[in-house]
Amino acid sequence: NAGVTQTPKFQVLKTGQSMTLQCAQDMNHEYMSWYRQDPGMGLRLIHYSVGAGITDQGEVPNGYNVSRSTTEDFPLRLLSAAPSQTSVYFCASSRLVGTGELFFGEGSRLTVL
Amino acid sequence: QQPVQSPQAVILREGEDAVINCSSSKALYSVHWYRQKHGEAPVFLMILLKGGEQKGHEKISASFNEKKQQSSLYLTASQLSYSGTYFCGTTTQEGGATNKLIFGTGTLLAVQP
Repeated sequence: NAGVTQTPKFQVLKTGQSMTLQCAQDMNHEYMSWYRQDPGMGLRLIHYSVGAGITDQGEVPNGYNVSRSTTEDFPLRLLSAAPSQTSVYFCASSRLVGTGELFFGEGSRLTVL
Repeated sequence: QQPVQSPQAVILREGEDAVINCSSSKALYSVHWYRQKHGEAPVFLMILLKGGEQKGHEKISASFNEKKQQSSLYLTASQLSYSGTYFCGTTTQEGGATNKLIFGTGTLLAVQP
């Protein structure tokens, strides 16, 4: 079982560049989410989705876009990267987050110069 | 709003007990506990739903006080493998927020021989 797969694992960007972090899950989970993790800040929710075609904002959505065209995929887009977006990003999925386990990907480390 | 965890860090000797607390200012729907080892993704420990239940297995258990909007994680007879950062995550009963899992800033637990 692949579970939750994130790509790339490492990425270096220059300020102003755009990129997409990919996330795919093979567990047929309706719920998917993106978190960023910074030292001392814990895991902060960026965006989440409760099913294909449905997305919503989390705690820190500014500077990020998401879409959910299929159940399996939930890409995170940075339209114009800023140094403040340097972080480790985790994608996670769940059958139903309010009452169920969240399965995390291995994380993507992004550095913006 | 992030739940508040305490303590921020704790150092134990093998065999000692520890309690990690998590509190929220909002009416909670569920409380989740995760452990993260350095450089790895968070791993699910348990989930507690409103109703004041206590859950656990072996030497790690948790309680949820719905009236106080608090949860506690109990680690008894700690082992070296318990070392890591523990995160509580909460969903609230506010409209739609049962799908928003918000994490605290974490508690660093170090178990020494």
